[in-house]
Amino acid sequence: QVQLVQSGAEVKKPGASVKVSCKAAGDTSTHHYMHWVRQAPGQGLEWMGIINPSGVSTSYAQKFQGRVTMTRDTSTSTVYMELSSLRSDDTAVYYCAGDYSNSRDYMDVWGKGTTVTVSS
Amino acid sequence: SYVLAQPPSVSVAPGQTARITCGGNNIGRKSVHWYQQKPGQAPVLVVYDDSDRPSGIPERFSGSKSGNTATLTISRVEAGDEADYHCQVWDDSSDPWVFGGGTKLTVL
Repeated sequence: QVQLVQSGAEVKKPGASVKVSCKAAGDTSTHHYMHWVRQAPGQGLEWMGIINPSGVSTSYAQKFQGRVTMTRDTSTSTVYMELSSLRSDDTAVYYCAGDYSNSRDYMDVWGKGTTVTVSS
Repeated sequence: SYVLAQPPSVSVAPGQTARITCGGNNIGRKSVHWYQQKPGQAPVLVVYDDSDRPSGIPERFSGSKSGNTATLTISRVEAGDEADYHCQVWDDSSDPWVFGGGTKLTVL
């Protein structure tokens, strides 16, 4: 049973960048598509982007184009999401979510989330 | 981009049946997935591909679709079912993975 272990909470100033990690623990014999989804306080889920199993290919939501970068280190089964030029409305919980069923449609394994607070 | 519409809230008494809807244009042509999110926790997949359940999800959770609306039905509702429920589809567009706004289920 795979678990996705995310890095700890971050507090950043406006204009800064944040890099959140997500490490697969358990069955790491194969790599899977990984999504990043965020949730602002009191709001719904918002898809940010996806990275393929090898880490060579990414696709980002239009809203985050130019500000987000997703990478992965297959040797450590870790994926990263970096968001730059942070604003106060980037304050949210950021989740990594894996497609372990290889569905390409949905996310069946989620990390517990990383809280990012942007405040001056 | 594609839009999924959910009611903000649904209330139901324990033991009754809760129905949470998710509307979208031509949703009948898409596979709909549902996530349960309890307060302070990460989402959990409860229904995928319209009506299939992952292992470990009770049979009380079921999904269906008719016309432009998908429905998550929770039978014999328990206090522990109180949560936010989010529908999600994949759409062939620039932002392919789309979530509804979420529905807060309150158990009275």
